[in-house]
Amino acid sequence: DAKTTQPTSMDCAEGRAANLPCNHSTISGNEYVYWYRQIHSQGPQYIIHGLKNNETNEMASLIITEDRKSSTLILPHATLRDTAVYYCIVRVTSGTYKYIFGTGTRLKVLA
Amino acid sequence: DVKVTQSSRYLVKRTGEKVFLECVQDMDHENMFWYRQDPGLGLRLIYFSYDVKMKEKGDIPEGYSVSREKKERFSLILESASTNQTSMYLCASSRPQGRDEQFFGPGTRLTVL
Repeated sequence: DAKTTQPTSMDCAEGRAANLPCNHSTISGNEYVYWYRQIHSQGPQYIIHGLKNNETNEMASLIITEDRKSSTLILPHATLRDTAVYYCIVRVTSGTYKYIFGTGTRLKVLA
Repeated sequence: DVKVTQSSRYLVKRTGEKVFLECVQDMDHENMFWYRQDPGLGLRLIYFSYDVKMKEKGDIPEGYSVSREKKERFSLILESASTNQTSMYLCASSRPQGRDEQFFGPGTRLTVL
């Protein structure tokens, strides 16, 4: 599975969009990009995933560059409850069940 | 609402004790996982199971064993707890299709004295 690089921490004002970047320059053609988050003292929570097209759900949007070497998770209107560690993971979806969680980005939403 | 539950949120044990961490999921998922989480190291996979009585080693299986006698239950066993096993332990489950997300329990913070 490809390695990912994320900033260690970010701040975002409440109500503004939070844009969390992830680099995955060694991603293979069959690897998906997943995002999870972990709120303090809880287990990680799935947010969204995608292969090459942009994806949107009720929680967030995922923008993947055309060359797939990077992606951005967008929380359109961040709230204080979005303060968490956000993990970007790339993985194949056949032949393995494995996720490799890095150390993620600690997002702090400020009032 | 889907649910993964873990037997304890906090646990304190002594060195050398045998420790059982239990995980139960109510989603009829085939796959179940045990991770440990330590500051600066992220989540690391200890063991996973893709069916009843089936198990595979993850990245750090040493010092641990697992048991899956029923589909909904996956147990992590520390045969002889050591202080370096003090950690947050997280259980997860997922459907068998590889794309499907993992659902995590709340975690058990284990302290070994």
